[in-house]
Amino acid sequence: NAGVTQTPKFQVLKTGQSMTLQCAQDMNHNSMYWYRQDPGMGLRLIYYSASEGTTDKGEVPNGYNVSRLNKREFSLRLESAAPSQTSVYFCASSEAPDRVRIFGQGTRLTVV
Amino acid sequence: AQSVAQPEDQVNVAEGNPLTVKCTYSVSGNPYLFWYVQYPNRGLQFLLKYITGDNLVKGSYGFEAEFNKSQTSFHLKKPSALVSDSALYFCAVRDITGGSYIPTFGRGTSLIVHP
Repeated sequence: NAGVTQTPKFQVLKTGQSMTLQCAQDMNHNSMYWYRQDPGMGLRLIYYSASEGTTDKGEVPNGYNVSRLNKREFSLRLESAAPSQTSVYFCASSEAPDRVRIFGQGTRLTVV
Repeated sequence: AQSVAQPEDQVNVAEGNPLTVKCTYSVSGNPYLFWYVQYPNRGLQFLLKYITGDNLVKGSYGFEAEFNKSQTSFHLKKPSALVSDSALYFCAVRDITGGSYIPTFGRGTSLIVHP
């Protein structure tokens, strides 16, 4: 089915470890996003890529880096994981930055 | 600046009764408004949006939302709730004529429909 695919679905990391969350979309969307969802905080934007070749910080970029590998793929990297990064991470894409987003199913990350 | 508020963390309603999930917004220009729904262990799904035109917007699964400019609100409604409507609902706003072109999401409202 067409949509946004995130891998992995679950991950447990030790403090200080690094990892990359992968995201791919097959809808030929120009814009892609990474959000984190925490209880009581709603959905917060970490980074986004308005179009291929560009990336910009969102509300909560500290501790993360991103790469827009090509039009389809947008990865999120945690260089040195911290317990405060325990969260559910969602990737999303849209035709343009202000358009309806299609979300992936999420990655549940626990940092111990 | 743009902001959105969902004043209720949780809404409880009996199956068959009408439901309302509240959303208020603040923009300096004109708003572009969205509602999304998140079922357990899933990503968000788009329900409906308002850009311009008729103040009553119809969306997926029998939901509708009413844009009220004077009250700066965009409440989500459904005439008859189903147990399967139980989910987390997010409102989002973008200021079309000023501010960021990235919509801001509210904190979400948990809707619980009791059998």
